[in-house]
Amino acid sequence: EVQLVESGGGLVQPGGSLRLSCAASGFTFSDHYMDWVRQAPGQGLEWVGRIRNKPSSYTTEYAASVKGRFTVSRDDSKNSLYLQMNSLKTEDTAMYYCARVYGTGWNSHYLDSWGQGTLVTVSS
Amino acid sequence: EIVMTQSPGTLSVSPGERATLSCRASQSVIRNLAWYQQRPGQAPRLLIYSASVRAAGIPARFSGSGSGTEFTLTISSLQSEDFAVYYCQQYNKWPPITFGQGTRLDIK
Repeated sequence: EVQLVESGGGLVQPGGSLRLSCAASGFTFSDHYMDWVRQAPGQGLEWVGRIRNKPSSYTTEYAASVKGRFTVSRDDSKNSLYLQMNSLKTEDTAMYYCARVYGTGWNSHYLDSWGQGTLVTVSS
Repeated sequence: EIVMTQSPGTLSVSPGERATLSCRASQSVIRNLAWYQQRPGQAPRLLIYSASVRAAGIPARFSGSGSGTEFTLTISSLQSEDFAVYYCQQYNKWPPITFGQGTRLDIK
């Protein structure tokens, strides 16, 4: 069974930093691209960023709203995904989900498994 | 960026009846469209991919259709557990991956 478990959320002041983790199990983590998606309280889903797998050189993509402040990384030896968040703003307050991208082909980039999320609150 | 627009924002339907949710893309996404269900307090769950293919374990009462810019999710006979928020998402052209703003399905 695919499992994704996020951790690392909490309360942080504006301008601060936080690192989220996502522990994966039940599948070959190294094969998959992985995403972070967030959801502000009472709002819809917003894609945050993606990291490709080793054959695709671990390249990353980001939403414009977080580019230059957030960094997605992974450690395939630990089956773990990370989101380093710097220069946090109040508008970054959200539940952060990690999600598995089904495939690497151009028509298979839907998110077939999601974690339960970790809550990040940015407030003074 | 491809903008996804869902309608209506809220849909009130009685149990046992049919619900039809719409999603429109600002440019063609061919059939690279997924639907997700999010129940209160839970993570999103994949329902449909490639516009019309049900994900593993999804009941047959859920069906998707459409291509290009117009898509529909139909729930044929609503059960109590189906009252939730539904999101469409395009994955044809990225970054960024984009979601619709969601349709909330309420019990009438």
